[in-house]
Amino acid sequence: AQTVTQSQPEMSVQEAETVTLSCTYDTSENNYYLFWYKQPPSRQMILVIRQEAYKQQNATENRFSVNFQKAAKSFSLKISDSQLGDTAMYFCAFMKPGGSEKLVFGKGMKLTVNP
Amino acid sequence: NAGVTQTPKFRILKIGQSMTLQCTQDMNHNYMYWYRQDPGMGLKLIYYSVGAGITDKGEVPNGYNVSRSTTEDFPLRLELAAPSQTSVYFCASRSPVISYNSPLHFGNGTRLTVT
Repeated sequence: AQTVTQSQPEMSVQEAETVTLSCTYDTSENNYYLFWYKQPPSRQMILVIRQEAYKQQNATENRFSVNFQKAAKSFSLKISDSQLGDTAMYFCAFMKPGGSEKLVFGKGMKLTVNP
Repeated sequence: NAGVTQTPKFRILKIGQSMTLQCTQDMNHNYMYWYRQDPGMGLKLIYYSVGAGITDKGEVPNGYNVSRSTTEDFPLRLELAAPSQTSVYFCASRSPVISYNSPLHFGNGTRLTVT
């Protein structure tokens, strides 16, 4: 079974600074997908970024980018120019394609952006 | 386009009571999921369905039942509520057509308290 580990329960950063959220996972699969989801206080789950394991290039979405290290099974999220609206819980998730394609989530990390 | 709609938003149950959490989606998605989110524990899969008439257990199915009589609806039933079922419940759906690149669409969650 796949597992996803987010070892940092909580982080804070000053507005406009850069912060990196870490995530490691365990799988024997070669083909899979990784995601970062954001959950603000509104409780809504919002997809931030996704990475296909077969792609060597790291995914980027505006201020959000990932550092995907397949051999190390590491998938960190970098947020540049942090904004107050980035304050939220962040969840790393893993999906194996085929079958149910269910997402396996990490425990989450609370990020606070301070003014 | 409403997306995934969950009702109710909040509910307080007494131990031993029963209730059904409703989930409906208007995107014609085949895949639907129920997750529960406990503080500091991330999201755990309760049940999922890959199409009408097909359901299967996830990681934490005990104490719950589901049905999928239509593509749109995927209700979650709690028969004998217990304090351990106090949690936030999320319903989600996705299309398998471009499944590897299709994000999971979440409802806004139901906060359930069992006392």
